[in-house]
Amino acid sequence: DTAVSQTPKYLVTQMGNDKSIKCEQNLGHDTMYWYKQDSKKFLKIMFSYNNKELIINETVPNRFSPKSPDKAHLNLHINSLELGDSAVYFCASSQLDRDGNTIYFGEGSWLTVV
Amino acid sequence: QKEVEQNSGPLSVPEGAIASLNCTYSDRGSQSFFWYRQYSGKSPELIMSIYSNGDKEDGRFTAQLNKASQYVSLLIRDSQPSDSATYLCAVKRERRQLTFGSGTQLTVLP
Repeated sequence: DTAVSQTPKYLVTQMGNDKSIKCEQNLGHDTMYWYKQDSKKFLKIMFSYNNKELIINETVPNRFSPKSPDKAHLNLHINSLELGDSAVYFCASSQLDRDGNTIYFGEGSWLTVV
Repeated sequence: QKEVEQNSGPLSVPEGAIASLNCTYSDRGSQSFFWYRQYSGKSPELIMSIYSNGDKEDGRFTAQLNKASQYVSLLIRDSQPSDSATYLCAVKRERRQLTFGSGTQLTVLP
């Protein structure tokens, strides 16, 4: 009964490849997010998706594209992977009018680009 | 100036002591304040939220907020080795995204 689940947990891939990370939440939340945490532990938002409205962090390269088939799923697709994309990617969800918009995180996907 | 600033640490305290973690933020319109704990190799988990000035206590944890000084802190009483983790301060303004600090690494020494 995991609240926010993401797959795969570990991913090692070569530069130039295209990969996807999937995320699902069963909390009934209306907003989902993708965060990137670099080696210095800095957690930075990449995207948020609320009721079909996508909010993009402008510093995110357009090689990254979120896809939300429904409000319980927000997948992250990455094209032409680069070494600097190596990081931990966290999916998260929240309900804007509940719990002060508390964000609940998935367990993370460790991406290593070689 | 970073939007949310924390001392990266590491902060070391002996078991049983009070650990004090501090955070400052730059956006005066911030309304919601959160402390997340992140164990190594794990995801962040919420431990405290605070919305109004003053103290909020939950077990061994106390969050303190001073909006005039743009300062939020977390006190951990009777620190245990299991409290050793990175503590992330996060701040939110209405209609804005949650912004995290870079975290303070806490080590509680047995």
